[in-house]
Amino acid sequence: NAGVTQTPKFQVLKTGQSMTLQCAQDMNHEYMSWYRQDPGMGLRLIHYSVGAGITDQGEVPNGYNVSRSTTEDFPLRLLSAAPSQTSVYFCASRSGGRADTQYFGPGTRLTVL
Amino acid sequence: RKEVEQDPGPFNVPEGATVAFNCTYSNSASQSFFWYRQDCRKEPKLLMSVYSSGNEDGRFTAQLNRASQYISLLIRDSKLSDSATYLCVVPDTGGFKTIFGAGTRLFVKA
Repeated sequence: NAGVTQTPKFQVLKTGQSMTLQCAQDMNHEYMSWYRQDPGMGLRLIHYSVGAGITDQGEVPNGYNVSRSTTEDFPLRLLSAAPSQTSVYFCASRSGGRADTQYFGPGTRLTVL
Repeated sequence: RKEVEQDPGPFNVPEGATVAFNCTYSNSASQSFFWYRQDCRKEPKLLMSVYSSGNEDGRFTAQLNRASQYISLLIRDSKLSDSATYLCVVPDTGGFKTIFGAGTRLFVKA
């Protein structure tokens, strides 16, 4: 199993550009989440999904969209990039239930100029 | 008060030392807790789960104090390879979201 994969690993955008961060998992997990990690602030939840076709907002959803058309894929779209979105983005999945381990992808390091 | 709070450190300890981190949480209804380890520029990985009063795995011991709403992580006989950031994680009562602390940085020196 590849686990959770993310692409790209690095990205530089100009203010106002849009892009999609890709996330895929091959563990048949129902729950998937997107986090951003900024220095001194830990991981903050952007959006999450409890199954195909079901998504909801996390703590910091503004400026981001998600969709979950399949169990495997959970892309994150930046609609109009802003310098405040410069961060490291992690995708995670877990099989279900609050007691389950979350598995993280390797992260995408995004810089918005 | 933040939902999950950790001392950011850094903790600088020599090899072989015992070190302990605390994490406080605000939701008294929380039932399960986790410690994750994150190496520099890497993704977090599960270190330990805590469901009742505590858990032990080799040199690592996690303890839960529900009355005071904190969990602790004790590392005995520290190794150089223990240098990392340790994240305290508390699922919300609905179970869909997890709240991460900002992390505690540990440096183990030779």
